[in-house]
Amino acid sequence: DAEITQSPRHKITETGRQVTLACHQTWNHNNMFWYRQDLGHGLRLIHYSYGVQDTNKGEVSDGYSVSRSNTEDLPLTLESAASSQTSVYFCASSGGLAGGPLGNEQFFGPGTRLTVL
Amino acid sequence: KNQVEQSPQSLIILEGKNCTLQCNYTVSPFSNLRWYKQDTGRGPVSLTIMTFSENTKSNGRYTATLDADTKQSSLHITASQLSDSASYICVVRAGGGADGLTFGKGTHLIIQP
Repeated sequence: DAEITQSPRHKITETGRQVTLACHQTWNHNNMFWYRQDLGHGLRLIHYSYGVQDTNKGEVSDGYSVSRSNTEDLPLTLESAASSQTSVYFCASSGGLAGGPLGNEQFFGPGTRLTVL
Repeated sequence: KNQVEQSPQSLIILEGKNCTLQCNYTVSPFSNLRWYKQDTGRGPVSLTIMTFSENTKSNGRYTATLDADTKQSSLHITASQLSDSASYICVVRAGGGADGLTFGKGTHLIIQP
């Protein structure tokens, strides 16, 4: 069955370190997204991609970067981790045209809980 | 600014009872509205999608309604089960693009035996 996976599921790191969170989907979806989820906030969009070599900034992109070298993967990198980046991170993917009339359903991964000490 | 407000923030009900969750939005132009269920420690999963022309849609014991004039949606859960304990997130899409999604903060529902 097609799926979307994230690794690691839990990560503890120190302030200033570079961290990369992996996201892999086997849906063959064009569109991939990274969100963070914090208490008191809804899911907030960090970066997204509509296809290979395409990346776009979301609402809370400062301090994060992504690259899309193939269809299946969209790794999220924290350049220099800060305590404010302690959060749960979700990757999602969707098929078809992102701006299509039904706004194709996004399928979410299980999340990565990141703690920055 | 596009906003999605959900109420209540949290809700505790007894198993077998019904409940209704509310979602008010100020998103323009409106494209569609989804309700997601998020179990603890997992990613959200779509329950239903509502487009402008739809008033009611059911998915098993879940029934979503949409009033596009008042910009309100509700999710009604019938004969609740312990497995319904989760957060329910309302997500509204404006016209086009990934950054056209606005997420509510969710309602945390607890079903007690």
